[in-house]
Amino acid sequence: DQQVKQNSPSLSVQEGRISILNCDYTNSMLDYFLWYKKYPAEGPTFLISISSIKDKNEDGRFTVFLNKSAKHLSLHIVPSQPGDSAVYFCAASRGGAGSYQLTFGKGTKLSVIP
Amino acid sequence: DADVTQTPRNRITKTGKRIMLECSQTKGHDRMYWYRQDPGLGLRLIYYSFDVKDINKGEISDGYSVSRQAQAKFSLSLESAIPNQTALYFCATSDSGWTGEIYNEQFFGPGTRLTVL
Repeated sequence: DQQVKQNSPSLSVQEGRISILNCDYTNSMLDYFLWYKKYPAEGPTFLISISSIKDKNEDGRFTVFLNKSAKHLSLHIVPSQPGDSAVYFCAASRGGAGSYQLTFGKGTKLSVIP
Repeated sequence: DADVTQTPRNRITKTGKRIMLECSQTKGHDRMYWYRQDPGLGLRLIYYSFDVKDINKGEISDGYSVSRQAQAKFSLSLESAIPNQTALYFCATSDSGWTGEIYNEQFFGPGTRLTVL
């Protein structure tokens, strides 16, 4: 049973436009959500996170939105740049302070076209 | 210098062989993790360790064992490798602690590509 789902394997966006990556989750106990970015031949790197007590978190060009009623979160990248081309993983955890176990989605490959 | 290093970066082995993947970190973190990634799938947790004396099974621990030799070193062993253990393996670390609403992020190594023939 996949608790974290990224239903779009790939996404292509023109440079300068907005990229929107989506993630759905099935377990309402999940209470902390993260996005990781992965380039080929490298490990994933943390991008941005959001706690379930918030519905939006922003960091520069990256904004994550959380809709708890729909069990849906999205990552917005504005403006998109060619260097943003990577695989993006949504991850989630639950269980209060010091939670350790991340459940990952399958990833979405973003291609930003110059 | 990389904060989380993994050796080897690539390994080809045969069915039935014992193999060890090693992870070292210079971040001073007390928590370490091993994940595997299969094509088209997300990362899945194999084992995690909160400190040298605390080892825990993750989602897919069957066929694997781990050793936390020191705070900075966490190794993953495949006692008798089989072809469906062919995957990309990642080590990660995180600090303990909780800042009220932010979990400490996990920092990943570059990965080890393992092929079992």
